[in-house]
Amino acid sequence: DTAVSQTPKYLVTQMGNDKSIKCEQNLGHDTMYWYKQDSKKFLKIMFSYNNKELIINETVPNRFSPKSPDKAHLNLHINSLELGDSAVYFCASSQGAGGFYEQYFGPGTRLTVT
Amino acid sequence: QQQVKQSPQSLIVQKGGISIINCAYENTAFDYFPWYQQFPGKGPALLIAIRPDVSEKKEGRFTISFNKSAKQFSLHIMDSQPGDSATYFCAGHISNFGNEKLTFGTGTRLTIIP
Repeated sequence: DTAVSQTPKYLVTQMGNDKSIKCEQNLGHDTMYWYKQDSKKFLKIMFSYNNKELIINETVPNRFSPKSPDKAHLNLHINSLELGDSAVYFCASSQGAGGFYEQYFGPGTRLTVT
Repeated sequence: QQQVKQSPQSLIVQKGGISIINCAYENTAFDYFPWYQQFPGKGPALLIAIRPDVSEKKEGRFTISFNKSAKQFSLHIMDSQPGDSATYFCAGHISNFGNEKLTFGTGTRLTIIP
């Protein structure tokens, strides 16, 4: 049973397009995250949500807009895609806040902008 | 600002040998130091984590050594196996009123050769 799932797994699109990546977790966790992993494998947090409320927004261009319709879902919408947006995007979730809780990562979405 | 520095970038170890990956941090507000393991095409997964008031933590073949005064910590993999070949990330964790954040190192690609 998949704990954190993302769709699609691969996304190839042209510059200027708008695209969305969906994430779902079935772990009952309160906190969800989006990370970006660039071509050098560097992993950096973009956003975190706790109980559908935005907690972290790490100086990400406002072309990126996360949306959390409920605790189990956190989607990422990207407007006006640029070449530099090409990366692997990971969704993650953790049990709660106020201490160290393991973050469970999804399988990633490889976004290629041409 | 790279708050967690990781070395080496890549490492080749013979089967049965000891793999050692080092990290140094700057932010003394980190309250946990986890290590994540990532296989190709997969999301990172928590391997082992340590609190800054503990000098060593061991789980099976994996050991974290922590030096608070030097602001350094390292991962030791004993009896390294081909199945350990993966990319390893150290990280620093901050928890601040529900604001959970992991800051990752740059990753080490480990290859275990027969």
